[in-house]
Amino acid sequence: AQTVTQSQPEMSVQEAETVTLSCTYDTSENNYYLFWYKQPPSRQMILVIRQEAYKQQNATENRFSVNFQKAAKSFSLKISDSQLGDTAMYFCACYANAGKSTFGDGTTLTVKP
Amino acid sequence: DVKVTQSSRYLVKRTGEKVFLECVQDMDHENMFWYRQDPGLGLRLIYFSYDVKMKEKGDIPEGYSVSREKKERFSLILESASTNQTSMYLCASSLGHMSTEAFFGQGTRLTVV
Repeated sequence: AQTVTQSQPEMSVQEAETVTLSCTYDTSENNYYLFWYKQPPSRQMILVIRQEAYKQQNATENRFSVNFQKAAKSFSLKISDSQLGDTAMYFCACYANAGKSTFGDGTTLTVKP
Repeated sequence: DVKVTQSSRYLVKRTGEKVFLECVQDMDHENMFWYRQDPGLGLRLIYFSYDVKMKEKGDIPEGYSVSREKKERFSLILESASTNQTSMYLCASSLGHMSTEAFFGQGTRLTVV
């Protein structure tokens, strides 16, 4: 079975500071992709960042970056210079083929002014 | 912009009713998904479809069925609604390869009374 675990149900950070959200996963597939999605309050889920498992280099998208440790099956998200608009629930997800998608339970992040 | 539209934002149905949740995407995506989102449980995959008339069971298909007669439309059917199916239902679509971003609808909050 494929699993994704987010061990932090809730987190908070002061505006302009840096926060790291944790995610661990397990899959029997050799080829897979990892994603972080963001679900703002009462709004649609959107992609934050993606990582190809066969790439060693960590993905970055502006203020968002990941720390991908393949051997440890760890995929954490770092948000730098946190903004109020980053307040949302964040989901880590593993896609091992077109349909075999598994999401974590989510981490609710609150950015405080 | 890719748009994934779910037919209803809120629905209230009675136990035993047959319920249809509709989802339409406008970007010619091959894959379409139905997830259920519950607090503390994240997103759980109910069914996905990788082509017209093709479907695969996800992690929690019991009590649900799906229909995909046209590429742009993916319907979730609750054959006989029960109170434990009260939940938020999210539809998503993506291009064929697992590396591609999934685009989500706004969700349908279903309450079964």
